[in-house]
Amino acid sequence: EVQLLESGGGLVQPGGSLRLSCTVSGFIFSTYSMNWVRQAPGKGLEWVSYINSGSGTTYYADSVKGRFTISRDNPKNSLYLHMNSLRAEDTAVYYCVRDGLNFDYWGQGTLVTVSS
Amino acid sequence: EIVLTQSPGTLSLSPGERATLPCRASQSVSSGYLAWYQQKPGQAPRLLIYGASSRATGIPDRFSGSGSGTDFTLTISRLEPEDCAVYYCHQSGNSPYTFGQGTKLEIK
Repeated sequence: EVQLLESGGGLVQPGGSLRLSCTVSGFIFSTYSMNWVRQAPGKGLEWVSYINSGSGTTYYADSVKGRFTISRDNPKNSLYLHMNSLRAEDTAVYYCVRDGLNFDYWGQGTLVTVSS
Repeated sequence: EIVLTQSPGTLSLSPGERATLPCRASQSVSSGYLAWYQQKPGQAPRLLIYGASSRATGIPDRFSGSGSGTDFTLTISRLEPEDCAVYYCHQSGNSPYTFGQGTKLEIK
């Protein structure tokens, strides 16, 4: 069974940093590209970042470029999102998503709240 | 950036009726990279349709996708109460990947 479990969310002050993690099981992690997608409270879905299977290619939404960094550790079956210079508008549930048949498996999400 | 437009924002239909949810792209999207997701309150999105017209594993055949280029459609035949949800279209053919703003489907 494919499972993705996010962690690392919480309350952080504006300008602060946070690292999200996603640990996966049930598939060969090293063969799949991965993404982060977020959803602000009561709003729609926003794609945040992509990383290919070998970490050689990454993409970012303009809204996070230069502040967020996506990375992965294939032997540890883990995906990460390093978030710096956080703003109130980054408040959202962050989902870890497998890039197979389009975005075929999603974690349950971890909530990041940016507030003083 | 490819903008995906879903209209109407809310659709209210009765059980047994047919729902047609359109998604229009600001520029051509490769069909292989157009997908539809269903999201119920408090849950993560679930993949319904990938490659514009292929049903994901376990998705009932009441759900179907069609279209190409800039116009795509999700059709739900014979609506059931559990189909009450928000439906999003999505393209992952060109970065930045984008989602439509969603159509909320209400079952009367």
